[in-house]
Amino acid sequence: DVKVTQSSRYLVKRTGEKVFLECVQDMDHENMFWYRQDPGLGLRLIYFSYDVKMKEKGDIPEGYSVSREKKERFSLILESASTNQTSMYLCASSLGQAPYSNQPQHFGDGTRLSIL
Amino acid sequence: DAKTTQPNSMESNEEEPVHLPCNHSTISGTDYIHWYRQLPSQGPEYVIHGLTSNVNNRMASLAIAEDRKSSTLILHRATLRDAAVYYCILIRSGGSNYKLTFGKGTLLTVNP
Repeated sequence: DVKVTQSSRYLVKRTGEKVFLECVQDMDHENMFWYRQDPGLGLRLIYFSYDVKMKEKGDIPEGYSVSREKKERFSLILESASTNQTSMYLCASSLGQAPYSNQPQHFGDGTRLSIL
Repeated sequence: DAKTTQPNSMESNEEEPVHLPCNHSTISGTDYIHWYRQLPSQGPEYVIHGLTSNVNNRMASLAIAEDRKSSTLILHRATLRDAAVYYCILIRSGGSNYKLTFGKGTLLTVNP
C-alpha cells in the first residue's frame, strides 16, 4: 500500500512565524501535491510538483512556497504565517506525469494547522 | 468540466450492502470515474476508478451504466469504519488532471 506521511497531525504557530510542513511518500511517485481543505470551500490546490526540483502553482499559492529536493519528499512553507492560513493541510502523491496523469492520488492524514 | 450529482446523505446497517449512486450525464468518452472517501479527521482515501467496465478491488465494486451517464459504488458489507463522505469525480484522460475538485459528496451513516 502507498504510504504518505505528514510530519505532524496538529500544529500551533504564531502570526509571522515561518512554518514548515513536511510530506514523505514511499512509492516512488513522480507527482506530489499540497492542498488545503476548509469547511464550505472544499479542497483547494496550493502547489504541485511532477519531478525533483520542479514545482507548479495551483489555485492559491500566495503566501506559500514549496521545496522538492528529493523525489520522496515535498515540503510546504508558510513564509510568514497569518491567521487566514489556519486550515487542514493535505499532501498527496500519484504516479505518472502530471498534469496529464489520470492515476489516483494518495493522501496523507493531514496536518491541522492553527495560527494564533 | 463534467459535473457529478450525488445524494447528500445515505444510511445503512452494519453488514448490509450499500449502493452509492452518482449521476454524470455530461460525461465525455475520455473521462474516468473515480471514487474517494473521507473519514472524519482524516485525509481523503482513494477507493476505486473505472472507464467503461465494472471494476472490483478489495475495498469496493464500481458498476458503470452502459451509457456511462451514471455509476454506483458498491460496498458489499458495510462496517462502522465505512462511515464517511464519499466523493464521485470525473478525471479526463489527456487533460490537465492534476487538480482534484470534490463536490459535497454523500455522507454515509452506518448503524450498528
